[in-house]
Amino acid sequence: AQSVTQLDSQVPVFEEAPVELRCNYSSSVSVYLFWYVQYPNQGLQLLLKYLSGSTLVKGINGFEAEFNKSQTSFHLRKPSVHISDTAEYFCAVRNPSNFGNEKLTFGTGTRLTIIP
Amino acid sequence: DARVTQTPRHKVTEMGQEVTMRCQPILGHNTVFWYRQTMMQGLELLAYFRNRAPLDDSGMPKDRFSAEMPDATLATLKIQPSEPRDSAVYFCASARGGLDAYEQFFGPGTRLTVL
Repeated sequence: AQSVTQLDSQVPVFEEAPVELRCNYSSSVSVYLFWYVQYPNQGLQLLLKYLSGSTLVKGINGFEAEFNKSQTSFHLRKPSVHISDTAEYFCAVRNPSNFGNEKLTFGTGTRLTIIP
Repeated sequence: DARVTQTPRHKVTEMGQEVTMRCQPILGHNTVFWYRQTMMQGLELLAYFRNRAPLDDSGMPKDRFSAEMPDATLATLKIQPSEPRDSAVYFCASARGGLDAYEQFFGPGTRLTVL
């Protein structure tokens, strides 16, 4: 079974400051990893994903994440945040070899609040 | 602009009433997911379908919930009878399906309030 832990439920950050949202996963097999963002009163949309290859992946809106297999982490970062980044961020994991079962396991989410 | 659509966007009903939520997946997507989001439980997968057949509905309370895909362009989630604890935002998501289909596309959700 897989699981995802997002250690911080809320993260306040001043505008133009850097941010890191933490995500750790647990799995006995290799994984695909995802970050989704949910803006207020909207559904989730994909920010970025790690499937294989380079451990540093870049996504939309200036976000990037680094896959660290030894630490089983996939932390999300942005060097300078904007007010429009205020949203809830979800880390998710999927088993790539489990054909016919594309379920994502989501973390509990981190609410990022940007302070002007 | 391909999007997943959900209706209604908001629903207020009384305990014991039947509730039907509808989802239109993106054209060409053959996999549909139903999620429920609450403050307490976060995002939970209720059920998902491939090519209109249920693949996994283990997250769904069977006694009152049912999910179907009458055709490739419509997925429904029904609650009968509804209870106050069913109050939540229900999301539908669709995907192309298969090992190389990595992204789920989410609809805007149906906010259900059961009084």
